[in-house]
Amino acid sequence: QVQLQESGPGLVKPSETLSLTCTVSGDSISAYYWSWIRQPPGKGLEWIGNMYYSGSTNYNPSLKSRVTMSLDTSKSQISLRLSSVTAADTAVYYCARDGSWRGYYTFDYWGQGTLVTVSS
Amino acid sequence: DIQMTQSPSSLSASVGDRVTITCRASQSINRYLNWYQQKPGKAPKLLIYAASSLESGVPSRFSGSGYGTDFTLTISSLQPEDFATFYCQQSYSNPRTFGQGTKVEIK
Repeated sequence: QVQLQESGPGLVKPSETLSLTCTVSGDSISAYYWSWIRQPPGKGLEWIGNMYYSGSTNYNPSLKSRVTMSLDTSKSQISLRLSSVTAADTAVYYCARDGSWRGYYTFDYWGQGTLVTVSS
Repeated sequence: DIQMTQSPSSLSASVGDRVTITCRASQSINRYLNWYQQKPGKAPKLLIYAASSLESGVPSRFSGSGYGTDFTLTISSLQPEDFATFYCQQSYSNPRTFGQGTKVEIK
């Protein structure tokens, strides 16, 4: 069974860099794209971007200048870095697998999410 | 970016009711439309993909339809465990975008 687990600091200071890691078990990290998605408290879902094991990335243009994703196949981990954070970046951050069926992509497996608060 | 608009934003319904949620895309997305259910404090769960295909393990009371710009999610007979927020999401192009959500509450 595929499982995803996010980890990282729950509190980040304004202007600093948010860093999170998603550890995948039960599946090969090399077979799929992997996405980061966030949800501010009480609000909707925003796709941050995704990454393939080859190094190919797709970032949301609204965050592209501040986002970096990386992948460590030996540890089955996907990482997210978001720089110059503000209070508007306070959210629950999820990692998710980009599943595919005949070319139709879905987020079929999700981590439980981790709340990151930006505050001094 | 493709904008996804859901209606209604919230609704109150009783157990056993038939519930329909609509989702409209700002441009044609073929059948690249997914539906998710989210309960408080939990990650979203995939219900429907490719507009009308039921994800494995999802009860058959959930169904999806639509093509192009207009889509619907239907719950044929609402059960107590179905009270949650539902999101549509397009996978036609990047950036992937979600609707704003529809909260289904108990009447």
